[in-house]
Amino acid sequence: DTAVSQTPKYLVTQMGNDKSIKCEQNLGHDTMYWYKQDSKKFLKIMFSYNNKELIINETVPNRFSPKSPDKAHLNLHINSLELGDSAVYFCASSHHDRVGTEAFFGQGTRLTVV
Amino acid sequence: AQTVTQSQPEMSVQEAETVTLSCTYDTSESDYYLFWYKQPPSRQMILVIRQEAYKQQNATENRFSVNFQKAAKSFSLKISDSQLGDAAMYFCALRRDKIIFGKGTRLHILP
Repeated sequence: DTAVSQTPKYLVTQMGNDKSIKCEQNLGHDTMYWYKQDSKKFLKIMFSYNNKELIINETVPNRFSPKSPDKAHLNLHINSLELGDSAVYFCASSHHDRVGTEAFFGQGTRLTVV
Repeated sequence: AQTVTQSQPEMSVQEAETVTLSCTYDTSESDYYLFWYKQPPSRQMILVIRQEAYKQQNATENRFSVNFQKAAKSFSLKISDSQLGDAAMYFCALRRDKIIFGKGTRLHILP
């Protein structure tokens, strides 16, 4: 029973391409996140959605566009990929109004731009 | 603004010994939560332990315990009886409206 699942796990693509990463959670959470983990392992929040509404957008280039069709799904679309976009992208989910609950993470998607 | 600082990029400990990982944070909120996550080479993020800021008692989970000093904004993780499977990146995290992470400490376990 996968709680937070991301697809694909690995993605290799050329500069300039457009790609999407999908995320789904079956935990009944109302909040979902995208995090970027760079080569130095630094985890930085990118976006947060609560009940399909964007609540956090952390100065991310507008080439990155999250989309939440329902509260169980949060996809990340990236246009015009650049070398610097290479990283591991994590999807996570949690309860919004239960501050004490942790976020549950997907397995991550390793994106390599060549 | 909220910040989380982990000042030890890497640490090593002998198997069966005890190690403490440091974390300091800053927030203007009085109600928040703190977490330690573990990321093994599989890259899965695993919750190790959580602490509610309003609780003075330090959280404990088996071999893992924290030393929470609210006034000093310090939240260290102690791992007792270290095992080879404890080798991983450890991230300290602070949650209020969002969860932010420190830069991590890579822990090596020496056999």
